[in-house]
Amino acid sequence: DAEITQSPRHKITETGRQVTLACHQTWNHNNMFWYRQDLGHGLRLIHYSYGVQDTNKGEVSDGYSVSRSNTEDLPLTLESAASSQTSVYFCASSEHRASTDTQYFGPGTRLTVL
Amino acid sequence: LAKTTQPISMDSYEGQEVNITCSHNNIATNDYITWYQQFPSQGPRFIIQGYKTKVTNEVASLFIPADRKSSTLSLPRVSLSDTAVYYCLVAPSGYSTLTFGKGTMLLVSP
Repeated sequence: DAEITQSPRHKITETGRQVTLACHQTWNHNNMFWYRQDLGHGLRLIHYSYGVQDTNKGEVSDGYSVSRSNTEDLPLTLESAASSQTSVYFCASSEHRASTDTQYFGPGTRLTVL
Repeated sequence: LAKTTQPISMDSYEGQEVNITCSHNNIATNDYITWYQQFPSQGPRFIIQGYKTKVTNEVASLFIPADRKSSTLSLPRVSLSDTAVYYCLVAPSGYSTLTFGKGTMLLVSP
């Protein structure tokens, strides 16, 4: 069955370190998204991609970057981790661009920045 | 994008019908209403979507009045496993990204 996976599931890092969170989907979806979820804020969009070599900034993109070199993967990089980036990160994918199209979410990565 | 308002939390008991109402007063003509469900320690998952009147699937029903300024997610005969956060989203079909609010935390007790 097609799926979307994230790794690692849990990560503890130190302030200032570079961290990369992996997202891999086997749906063959063109569209991929990264969200962060914090208490009191719901899910907020960080970056998204419509296809290979395409990336776009979301609502809370500062301090994060993504690159899309193939259809299956959209890694999220924190260039210099900050304590404010302690959060749960979710990756998602969808077949079509329309907001009416279902987004399929991964299990999440819990990141702690000390 | 239309702003949505939904209760922060709701409590219910097993076997009851639960109705969660979402207010979206400034919904636009081409906006669709979508609900997602999120269990603890999991990503959200799509439940149901509609434009007007009533939509039903194997999980839930969605009621949308004629003015479309609100919508109600109805969960028939909830069980403990329906304990989750439920998100109401409103967006035009041509808009590629979703905006999640804080959702409604539904707690189902025995």
